[in-house]
Amino acid sequence: QQQVKQSPQSLIVQKGGISIINCAYENTAFDYFPWYQQFPGKGPALLIAIRPDVSEKKEGRFTISFNKSAKQFSLHIMDSQPGDSATYFCAAGPDKTSYDKVIFGPGTSLSVIP
Amino acid sequence: DAGVIQSPRHEVTEMGQEVTLRCKPISGHDYLFWYRQTMMRGLELLIYFNNNVPIDDSGMPEDRFSAKMPNASFSTLKIQPSEPRDSAVYFCASSNRRVGSTGELFFGEGSRLTVL
Repeated sequence: QQQVKQSPQSLIVQKGGISIINCAYENTAFDYFPWYQQFPGKGPALLIAIRPDVSEKKEGRFTISFNKSAKQFSLHIMDSQPGDSATYFCAAGPDKTSYDKVIFGPGTSLSVIP
Repeated sequence: DAGVIQSPRHEVTEMGQEVTLRCKPISGHDYLFWYRQTMMRGLELLIYFNNNVPIDDSGMPEDRFSAKMPNASFSTLKIQPSEPRDSAVYFCASSNRRVGSTGELFFGEGSRLTVL
């Protein structure tokens, strides 16, 4: 129930294309859904986050879509660029034991080729 | 502003040796987290502190692992004795709000540990 599922495991997109990463969860108590971006050799960094009271949030080329009834949310990267090549983690919180923690998905490795 | 600072960045050691990883959180952040990242298991939370007090160590794999936070600006993760299966990237992260609610985790650049 605590698990956050993420797909695909890896993704290759042409420059200028749309990258889509999907996540799903079971625990209806989750009410905070952040996405973290990790470049090689670096730690993850918060990219964008959404709460379930909105169905979509956009920040520049990055958009989170949220489907509360399906318990799914996704990250869309429009006009993907080689600089977007990174690993993306969806997450959900709070953890059932504490508001201090989030549960991370397994990650998606995105490669944007010129 | 300085971010989360971790040392060493790389550590290669032999099985059975003691390993100590260090972390300096962002000033003013009262939460500190230790994560481990591997290909097989992804990002695992090992332990976290609030106001220098360990709150949840349920992710610590076994007694060989220990963590301390003697003050608000310093934490250590110790592995003794180390084993090859401990090879991973260890991240320290800090936050000034509850991460499961609206808080943001600020990660260091990680310590890559290789145990031969």
